[in-house]
Amino acid sequence: KAGVTQTPRYLIKTRGQQVTLSCSPISGHRSVSWYQQTPGQGLQFLFEYFSETQRNKGNFPGRFSGRQFSNSRSEMNVSTLELGDSALYLCASSLGGLLLSGANVLTFGAGSRLTVL
Amino acid sequence: ELKVEQNPLFLSMQEGKNYTIYCNYSTTSDRLYWYRQDPGKSLESLFVLLSNGAVKQEGRLMASLDTKARLSTLHITAAVHDLSATYFCAVDRYSGGGADGLTFGKGTHLIIQP
Repeated sequence: KAGVTQTPRYLIKTRGQQVTLSCSPISGHRSVSWYQQTPGQGLQFLFEYFSETQRNKGNFPGRFSGRQFSNSRSEMNVSTLELGDSALYLCASSLGGLLLSGANVLTFGAGSRLTVL
Repeated sequence: ELKVEQNPLFLSMQEGKNYTIYCNYSTTSDRLYWYRQDPGKSLESLFVLLSNGAVKQEGRLMASLDTKARLSTLHITAAVHDLSATYFCAVDRYSGGGADGLTFGKGTHLIIQP
């Protein structure tokens, strides 16, 4: 089955611009999470959506936002880009739901590499 | 605040040798994950450890979990070049609103030389 698809794979923006990244989860997966990966800070959790609702959010400024559509596809938006926003943005999907036990294994997409000049 | 520490962060080893990567976490966690990332690629799930004493093995990799010590290990047996990658451990916590985001370690960059 198809994996997690992220678009675009690469993009270059300048400071002050905004960017929208897209993520299509694995069919049947209702949870979509976003992570930022940088050499300095490593992998950091941005937010998680389930059934079009943001359930959890990491410690990022309000310039970072996201949404999820009824088909579970998700987008994240970064406004007023800063140089420090240059990173690999990873989307991951999982079955989600209220897991009292068992694993919540995330399947990651290939990522969108954003460069801010 | 949940913190995850991996060591070593860099490891160069020869083929055929054994080695262990350590992952310590700071507070009670529900689940412990190991992921692999190849250069320029995404993360691939390796193991999920759910309970104290859990041990999982796949090929030359074996992961274990000690929840009392808040420690997980990833052991590599008779390393081969194909295992060269960056390995991440991650933990999450379940809350009433669903699983919190994963907190990752910094990763262990593993190079296996012939």
